[in-house]
Amino acid sequence: EIVLTQSPGTLSLSPGERATLSCRASQSVSNSYLAWYQQKPGQAPRLLIYGASSRATGIPDRFSGSGSGTDFTLTISRLEPEDFAVYYCQQYGSSPRTFGPGAKVDI
Amino acid sequence: QVQLQESGPGLVKPSETLSLTCDVSGYSISSGHYWGWIRQPPGMRLEWIGSIYHSGSTSYNPSLKSRVTVAVDTSKNQFSLKLSSVTAADTAVYYCARVGGPFNMWGQGTMVTVSS
Repeated sequence: EIVLTQSPGTLSLSPGERATLSCRASQSVSNSYLAWYQQKPGQAPRLLIYGASSRATGIPDRFSGSGSGTDFTLTISRLEPEDFAVYYCQQYGSSPRTFGPGAKVDI
Repeated sequence: QVQLQESGPGLVKPSETLSLTCDVSGYSISSGHYWGWIRQPPGMRLEWIGSIYHSGSTSYNPSLKSRVTVAVDTSKNQFSLKLSSVTAADTAVYYCARVGGPFNMWGQGTMVTVSS
């Protein structure tokens, strides 16, 4: 089973600033099948990025993903008030599909 | 627009079977895609439970495989989850989702508490 770790656990920033979140896998993620989700309190996760770097439908271009192998990054170029949330990475290259512990972006 | 909606009891007694259904609207399950269940215990990370194709082919998380059954009913355009011999550790928000590689469409989730 691939174990995902995320850092930092919490990122305290202000609107307009840049957020950089890291996701590290215990072994290489096949075909860069790595996704990022955003979750707000009381809501279901929303797919942001798939295939490490492809934005899902309707996702603003301030969200970008990069990386391969075992190291991946989610960048939010300029934080908007609605971006303050918890972000999860998830690998779907091998079974079982696994999620990271989440990283909170707050003010 | 594709929508998923979970339904089922919010309270289950220990040792009993948790049963949930996911109704899909705006898309025919028979058209394709895998369909899955994911859960999130309070304060913990998300955990994939299992997935099913419209043909009935399934895959399960090995950590839960002995207790899980996922089934599909194409006539009702819904799929279901059964988790047997539940304990307090199974208390969680349970989500159903469409699988397109990643989980690209989610239900709103339903909280299930295991308690006597």
